[in-house]
Amino acid sequence: DIQMTQSPSSLSASVGDRVTITCRASQGINNYLAWYQQKPGKVPKLLIYAASTLQSGVPSRFSGSGSGADFTLTISSLQPEDVATYYCQKYNSAPQTFGGGTKVEIK
Amino acid sequence: EVQLVESGGGLVQPGGSLRLSCAASGFTFSTYEMNWVRQAPGKGLEWVSYISSSGSTIYYADSVKGRFTISRDNAKNSLYLQMNSLRVEDTAVYYCARDRGYFDLWGRGTLVTVSS
Repeated sequence: DIQMTQSPSSLSASVGDRVTITCRASQGINNYLAWYQQKPGKVPKLLIYAASTLQSGVPSRFSGSGSGADFTLTISSLQPEDVATYYCQKYNSAPQTFGGGTKVEIK
Repeated sequence: EVQLVESGGGLVQPGGSLRLSCAASGFTFSTYEMNWVRQAPGKGLEWVSYISSSGSTIYYADSVKGRFTISRDNAKNSLYLQMNSLRVEDTAVYYCARDRGYFDLWGRGTLVTVSS
């Protein structure tokens, strides 16, 4: 099975900072990559699919890039409401494995 | 309103069984593939099981294969997860999720606690 590895596992940044999270697949998955945001005590929310397509209603400060095996989620200007854990997920085939998550905090 | 509502969670002893349900509303349930995803306390997301729109194709995570059974009733707009031979490590919030490849709609989850 394909493994999904996220880095870093946690980060602390200041409001307004540019934040980058990476996700690496153990094999190529084309662009079948989604990103989710889970705020504390809440349900996961889809942010990005097809590696770079923003889900409706998601702020434009979020963006995704990459293809093949290496992917990036970027928050262009970190806001207090972005405190959450972010997960990548591959969906080219079963199992639709999630990455281990990246916890984002405000410094 | 488009939503998924899970039910059936609770406290069960190791070796016991539990059946989870997920009620769908606000969309044409029978045209969507569905999944169960779980999250142990303080841990990340773990995909558990997938079922195609007709129910003809099913997949399981290795961690639950042979113990869990996914099913659906399109006439009742419902998804199910029969969980047998439960282990302490199955303790988690269980979410049902609508599948468009990616998971675009999630329920609020139901907590399953396996403990003696």
